[in-house]
Amino acid sequence: NAGVTQTPKFRVLKTGQSMTLLCAQDMNHEYMYWYRQDPGMGLRLIHYSVGEGTTAKGEVPDGYNVSRLKKQNFLLGLESAAPSQTSVYFCASSLGLAIDEQYFGPGTRLTVT
Amino acid sequence: SQKIEQNSEALNIQEGKTATLTCNYTNYSPAYLQWYRQDPGRGPVFLLLIRENEKEKRKERLKVTFDTTLKQSLFHITASQPADSATYLCALRLTGGSYIPTFGRGTSLIVHP
Repeated sequence: NAGVTQTPKFRVLKTGQSMTLLCAQDMNHEYMYWYRQDPGMGLRLIHYSVGEGTTAKGEVPDGYNVSRLKKQNFLLGLESAAPSQTSVYFCASSLGLAIDEQYFGPGTRLTVT
Repeated sequence: SQKIEQNSEALNIQEGKTATLTCNYTNYSPAYLQWYRQDPGRGPVFLLLIRENEKEKRKERLKVTFDTTLKQSLFHITASQPADSATYLCALRLTGGSYIPTFGRGTSLIVHP
C-alpha cells in the first residue's frame, strides 16, 4: 500500500494564479482532511470530508475549495493564490471513527510570490 | 476560547534519560487524546491514543498519561536515543462525535549523544 500520497511535492505560484493539490489514499478510509502548517502555528484544518461527495469547513477555509468526487481522492483548490497561502499543506485520512488515528501524506510545499 | 498548549521551547536531553513532554488544554472535554511524531520535511506519524477514562497507556519505551482534572497529558520516552529527536504533537478529539481533530503546535525534542 502506498498509504496517502500528495501531488505535487513543491510548487511556486504567482499571486492570482490558481492550482489544485491532489491527495490520494489506498486504505479505503472514509474521512479525509486538508491541513496547512506554518512555523509557530501548528497544524490548522482547512477542510475535511466524512465520505465521498461530502465536504465541510475547518478552522481556516477562506481562499480554498475542496472536492471529494471519489472516495480515494480529496482535492484542494486555490482559485486566486495569495502570499498568505504560502505554507506546507498536508493531507490526511482516517478510517471512519473519531477515535481513529490519522495517516498523513508527505506534504506539499507551496510558495506564492 | 479553546486552547491547546505545548511547550514551544525545544527540550534538550542526554541520551539514556527520560524525556517528558506536556500537553495542556483549556475549555475542552476531550474524549481521546493522540500523540504524533513529526520529522523535518515529513507528515506526522501516529504514536499513541489514550481515552478519557484511561489514566496511562504504554507502548514499548513510550508512556502517555491523561489527567482530565488537570486538563493535561504527559508523554514520556524512556531510555531516549538520538533517533527520538523530532517534534511531538498532541491532538484532541472531542466528545459528541466530532470528527474535527485539534492539534497542538508541537514540542521539539533533541536527544544528545
